[in-house]
Amino acid sequence: DAMVIQNPRYQVTQFGKPVTLSCSQTLNHNVMYWYQQKSSQAPKLLFHYYDKDFNNEADTPDNFQSRRPNTSFCFLDIRSPGLGDAAMYLCATSRDLPTSSPSDTQYFGPGTRLTVL
Amino acid sequence: AQSVTQLGSHVSVSEGALVLLRCNYSSSVPPYLFWYVQYPNQGLQLLLKYTSAATLVKGINGFEAEFKKSETSFHLTKPSAHMSDAAEYFCAVIYAGGTSYGKLTFGQGTILTVHP
Repeated sequence: DAMVIQNPRYQVTQFGKPVTLSCSQTLNHNVMYWYQQKSSQAPKLLFHYYDKDFNNEADTPDNFQSRRPNTSFCFLDIRSPGLGDAAMYLCATSRDLPTSSPSDTQYFGPGTRLTVL
Repeated sequence: AQSVTQLGSHVSVSEGALVLLRCNYSSSVPPYLFWYVQYPNQGLQLLLKYTSAATLVKGINGFEAEFKKSETSFHLTKPSAHMSDAAEYFCAVIYAGGTSYGKLTFGQGTILTVHP
């Protein structure tokens, strides 16, 4: 029944060591999002894909990259994690873009909690 | 700047009491409004959403919210709190224009505590 799956649920990495978080979906949605949620804060959008079209938020650091090899999978790559990158990373999907279908629900995965040592 | 404000970062109620979580948006054009719930170390789950069809929206787990244009509000209520309602609740909006156009923008969240 799981619709948006994130692996791993908990990830520990070392300062500066590249890390990849993964997300998969069974909804066949066109849009996939990555959000960063720091402790006691609201989720913050990093970027999204509409199909293969990538859209980066203006304030997302270059340290964060993403790949979407097919409809079902999307990856978040952090090239050189710093202590400030420790957070919960949430993947979400929607059928269409909010600019086209603002009433579409975004479905969230359970998140990956990243610890940077 | 367009924003969404949740009044009260923490709300505490007794089991069986009314739950009221407040949310106000900042736009002259009614946005699309959502309430999400987040349990510890979990993702966000949609409770309900307002899409201009009806001002009183019923959601899951007995929650409902009323859109009031005159007050630019979309407060979340539940008549009788249950221990399992303890979680963090996020109000979120999608604006049809402006600087936050087409982006799901979250409030700062309200942590609901339910005590016996």
